Amino acid sequence: DAGITQSPRHKVTETGTPVTLRCHQTENHRYMYWYRQDPGHGLRLIHYSYGVKDTDKGEVSDGYSVSRSKTEDFLLTLESATSSQTSVYFCAISEVTEGEQFFGPGTRLTVL
Amino acid sequence: AQSVSQHNHHVILSEAASLELGCNYSYGGTVNLFWYVQYPGQHLQLLLKYFSGDPLVKGIKGFEAEFIKSKFSFNLRKPSVQWSDTAEYFCAVIPAGRRALTFGSGTRLQVQP
Repeated sequence: DAGITQSPRHKVTETGTPVTLRCHQTENHRYMYWYRQDPGHGLRLIHYSYGVKDTDKGEVSDGYSVSRSKTEDFLLTLESATSSQTSVYFCAISEVTEGEQFFGPGTRLTVL
Repeated sequence: AQSVSQHNHHVILSEAASLELGCNYSYGGTVNLFWYVQYPGQHLQLLLKYFSGDPLVKGIKGFEAEFIKSKFSFNLRKPSVQWSDTAEYFCAVIPAGRRALTFGSGTRLQVQP
Protein backbone atom coordinates (compact mmCIF):
# COMPACT_ATOMS: atom_id res chain seq x y z
CA ASP A 1 0.00 0.00 0.00
CA ALA A 2 1.13 3.54 -0.72
CA GLY A 3 2.25 5.45 2.35
CA ILE A 4 -0.80 7.58 2.98
CA THR A 5 -2.28 8.25 6.37
CA GLN A 6 -5.28 10.31 7.35
CA SER A 7 -6.09 11.77 10.72
CA PRO A 8 -8.36 11.60 12.49
CA ARG A 9 -9.99 8.42 11.22
CA HIS A 10 -13.30 9.22 12.89
CA LYS A 11 -14.69 12.48 14.16
CA VAL A 12 -18.00 13.65 15.52
CA THR A 13 -18.50 17.37 15.77
CA GLU A 14 -21.26 19.93 16.09
CA THR A 15 -22.67 22.29 13.51
CA GLY A 16 -20.73 25.54 13.32
CA THR A 17 -17.44 24.23 14.65
CA PRO A 18 -14.24 24.28 12.59
CA VAL A 19 -12.73 20.96 11.58
CA THR A 20 -9.36 20.15 10.03
CA LEU A 21 -8.53 16.83 8.42
CA ARG A 22 -4.97 15.87 7.69
CA CYS A 23 -3.49 13.79 4.91
CA HIS A 24 0.14 12.73 5.15
CA GLN A 25 2.14 10.92 2.48
CA THR A 26 5.59 9.40 2.48
CA GLU A 27 5.77 8.84 -1.30
CA ASN A 28 6.89 12.35 -2.28
CA HIS A 29 4.15 12.50 -4.91
CA ARG A 30 3.44 15.91 -6.37
CA TYR A 31 -0.34 15.67 -6.63
CA MET A 32 -2.71 15.35 -3.70
CA TYR A 33 -6.50 15.29 -3.67
CA TRP A 34 -9.41 15.44 -1.27
CA TYR A 35 -12.63 13.62 -2.13
CA ARG A 36 -15.85 13.04 -0.29
CA GLN A 37 -17.81 9.82 -0.67
CA ASP A 38 -21.57 9.80 -0.29
CA PRO A 39 -24.07 7.05 -1.18
CA GLY A 40 -25.26 7.36 -4.76
CA HIS A 41 -22.64 9.95 -5.64
CA GLY A 42 -19.44 7.97 -5.78
CA LEU A 43 -16.41 10.10 -5.02
CA ARG A 44 -16.53 13.81 -5.69
CA LEU A 45 -13.47 16.01 -5.80
CA ILE A 46 -13.31 18.79 -3.23
CA HIS A 47 -9.88 20.32 -3.81
CA TYR A 48 -6.57 19.22 -5.18
CA SER A 49 -2.95 20.33 -5.06
CA TYR A 50 -0.37 20.22 -7.78
CA GLY A 51 2.53 21.36 -5.64
CA VAL A 52 3.43 23.11 -2.43
CA LYS A 53 1.16 26.12 -2.04
CA ASP A 54 -0.53 25.31 -5.38
CA THR A 55 -4.15 24.28 -5.01
CA ASP A 56 -7.32 24.40 -7.04
CA LYS A 57 -11.02 23.80 -6.54
CA GLY A 58 -12.88 20.67 -7.44
CA GLU A 59 -16.51 19.89 -8.08
CA VAL A 60 -17.79 20.41 -4.51
CA SER A 61 -15.47 22.98 -2.97
CA ASP A 62 -18.02 25.28 -1.28
CA GLY A 63 -17.51 25.32 2.49
CA TYR A 64 -14.04 23.80 2.28
CA SER A 65 -10.53 25.21 2.16
CA VAL A 66 -7.16 23.50 1.84
CA SER A 67 -3.54 24.19 2.50
CA ARG A 68 -0.31 22.54 1.50
CA SER A 69 2.79 24.01 3.08
CA LYS A 70 4.89 20.86 2.69
CA THR A 71 5.00 18.17 0.01
CA GLU A 72 3.90 15.50 2.43
CA ASP A 73 0.91 17.21 4.07
CA PHE A 74 -2.43 18.32 2.64
CA LEU A 75 -4.96 19.78 5.06
CA LEU A 76 -8.69 20.06 4.49
CA THR A 77 -10.56 22.58 6.64
CA LEU A 78 -14.26 22.99 7.18
CA GLU A 79 -14.45 26.53 8.51
CA SER A 80 -17.94 26.06 9.98
CA ALA A 81 -19.15 22.50 9.71
CA THR A 82 -22.71 21.79 8.55
CA SER A 83 -24.73 18.59 8.63
CA SER A 84 -24.46 18.34 4.84
CA GLN A 85 -20.73 17.82 5.29
CA THR A 86 -21.29 14.55 7.10
CA SER A 87 -19.43 12.15 4.84
CA VAL A 88 -16.41 9.94 4.41
CA TYR A 89 -13.39 11.91 3.25
CA PHE A 90 -10.62 10.31 1.25
CA CYS A 91 -7.23 11.69 0.44
CA ALA A 92 -5.41 10.51 -2.67
CA ILE A 93 -2.00 11.04 -4.20
CA SER A 94 -0.53 10.60 -7.64
CA GLU A 95 2.87 10.99 -9.19
CA VAL A 96 1.66 12.41 -12.49
CA THR A 97 -1.45 14.36 -13.23
CA GLU A 98 -3.08 11.76 -15.48
CA GLY A 99 -1.86 8.66 -13.69
CA GLU A 100 -3.44 6.37 -11.18
CA GLN A 101 -4.27 7.70 -7.78
CA PHE A 102 -3.55 5.96 -4.50
CA PHE A 103 -6.06 6.41 -1.73
CA GLY A 104 -5.77 6.81 2.00
CA PRO A 105 -7.90 4.91 4.54
CA GLY A 106 -10.53 7.64 4.85
CA THR A 107 -11.95 9.80 7.62
CA ARG A 108 -15.54 9.36 8.70
CA LEU A 109 -16.91 12.76 9.75
CA THR A 110 -20.27 13.21 11.43
CA VAL A 111 -21.64 16.70 11.94
CA LEU A 112 -24.51 16.81 14.41
CA ALA B 1 -22.13 18.25 -18.31
CA GLN B 2 -19.27 15.88 -18.85
CA SER B 3 -19.68 12.82 -16.70
CA VAL B 4 -19.10 9.18 -15.99
CA SER B 5 -22.12 6.87 -15.81
CA GLN B 6 -22.43 3.52 -14.15
CA HIS B 7 -25.91 2.29 -14.89
CA ASN B 8 -25.85 -0.76 -12.62
CA HIS B 9 -26.22 0.50 -9.08
CA HIS B 10 -26.63 -2.81 -7.32
CA VAL B 11 -25.85 -6.23 -8.76
CA ILE B 12 -26.48 -9.54 -7.03
CA LEU B 13 -24.84 -12.67 -8.40
CA SER B 14 -24.25 -16.22 -7.30
CA GLU B 15 -20.72 -17.54 -7.07
CA ALA B 16 -19.29 -18.69 -10.43
CA ALA B 17 -21.61 -16.39 -12.38
CA SER B 18 -20.11 -14.07 -14.96
CA LEU B 19 -19.91 -10.36 -14.29
CA GLU B 20 -20.11 -7.35 -16.53
CA LEU B 21 -20.38 -3.83 -15.12
CA GLY B 22 -21.04 -0.96 -17.45
CA CYS B 23 -19.19 2.35 -17.56
CA ASN B 24 -19.80 5.13 -20.04
CA TYR B 25 -18.23 8.55 -20.18
CA SER B 26 -19.05 11.70 -22.08
CA TYR B 27 -15.62 13.23 -22.68
CA GLY B 28 -14.34 13.61 -26.22
CA GLY B 29 -10.71 13.16 -27.10
CA THR B 30 -8.06 11.19 -25.29
CA VAL B 31 -8.89 9.77 -21.89
CA ASN B 32 -7.24 7.58 -19.29
CA LEU B 33 -9.61 5.09 -17.71
CA PHE B 34 -9.60 3.26 -14.39
CA TRP B 35 -11.59 0.78 -12.38
CA TYR B 36 -11.26 0.90 -8.61
CA VAL B 37 -12.66 -1.48 -6.03
CA GLN B 38 -13.65 -0.74 -2.46
CA TYR B 39 -14.07 -3.75 -0.18
CA PRO B 40 -16.33 -3.24 2.84
CA GLY B 41 -14.74 -0.86 5.30
CA GLN B 42 -11.64 -0.32 3.21
CA HIS B 43 -10.18 2.34 0.95
CA LEU B 44 -10.20 2.29 -2.83
CA GLN B 45 -7.74 0.05 -4.62
CA LEU B 46 -6.87 0.03 -8.30
CA LEU B 47 -8.19 -2.96 -10.26
CA LEU B 48 -6.95 -1.96 -13.68
CA LYS B 49 -6.22 0.98 -15.93
CA TYR B 50 -6.15 1.89 -19.59
CA PHE B 51 -3.90 4.57 -21.02
CA SER B 52 -3.29 3.42 -24.60
CA GLY B 53 -2.59 0.34 -26.71
CA ASP B 54 -4.54 -2.91 -26.52
CA PRO B 55 -8.12 -1.96 -25.62
CA LEU B 56 -8.54 -5.16 -23.64
CA VAL B 57 -6.75 -4.72 -20.34
CA LYS B 58 -6.25 -7.24 -17.61
CA GLY B 59 -6.12 -6.35 -13.96
CA ILE B 60 -5.76 -8.04 -10.63
CA LYS B 61 -7.89 -10.91 -9.32
CA GLY B 62 -9.00 -12.05 -12.78
CA PHE B 63 -10.73 -8.83 -13.78
CA GLU B 64 -10.50 -7.36 -17.25
CA ALA B 65 -12.00 -4.39 -19.05
CA GLU B 66 -12.54 -3.44 -22.65
CA PHE B 67 -12.22 0.08 -23.96
CA ILE B 68 -14.55 0.75 -26.88
CA LYS B 69 -13.80 4.25 -28.08
CA SER B 70 -16.75 4.46 -30.47
CA LYS B 71 -19.14 3.68 -27.63
CA PHE B 72 -17.33 5.78 -24.99
CA SER B 73 -17.39 2.69 -22.82
CA PHE B 74 -15.02 0.86 -20.49
CA ASN B 75 -16.90 -2.14 -19.15
CA LEU B 76 -15.51 -4.36 -16.42
CA ARG B 77 -15.76 -8.14 -16.71
CA LYS B 78 -14.93 -11.26 -14.78
CA PRO B 79 -15.77 -14.75 -16.06
CA SER B 80 -16.51 -16.28 -12.67
CA VAL B 81 -17.08 -14.24 -9.52
CA GLN B 82 -16.27 -15.33 -5.99
CA TRP B 83 -17.84 -14.40 -2.69
CA SER B 84 -14.71 -12.35 -1.95
CA ASP B 85 -15.54 -10.08 -4.91
CA THR B 86 -18.36 -8.56 -2.88
CA ALA B 87 -17.47 -4.86 -2.95
CA GLU B 88 -18.28 -1.55 -4.55
CA TYR B 89 -16.76 -0.87 -7.95
CA PHE B 90 -16.00 2.57 -9.33
CA CYS B 91 -15.18 3.61 -12.85
CA ALA B 92 -13.07 6.76 -13.20
CA VAL B 93 -11.94 8.87 -16.12
CA ILE B 94 -9.36 11.58 -16.59
CA PRO B 95 -9.31 13.40 -19.92
CA ALA B 96 -5.99 14.46 -21.37
CA GLY B 97 -4.86 17.75 -19.94
CA ARG B 98 -7.02 17.51 -16.83
CA ARG B 99 -5.63 17.18 -13.36
CA ALA B 100 -8.22 15.11 -11.53
CA LEU B 101 -10.34 12.01 -11.91
CA THR B 102 -14.08 12.03 -12.36
CA PHE B 103 -15.74 9.03 -10.76
CA GLY B 104 -18.93 7.24 -11.57
CA SER B 105 -21.46 6.77 -8.79
CA GLY B 106 -20.36 3.19 -8.19
CA THR B 107 -21.86 -0.29 -8.49
CA ARG B 108 -22.40 -2.37 -5.41
CA LEU B 109 -21.76 -6.05 -6.16
CA GLN B 110 -23.08 -8.69 -3.84
CA VAL B 111 -21.96 -12.26 -4.48
CA GLN B 112 -23.98 -14.93 -2.78
CA PRO B 113 -22.29 -18.21 -1.84
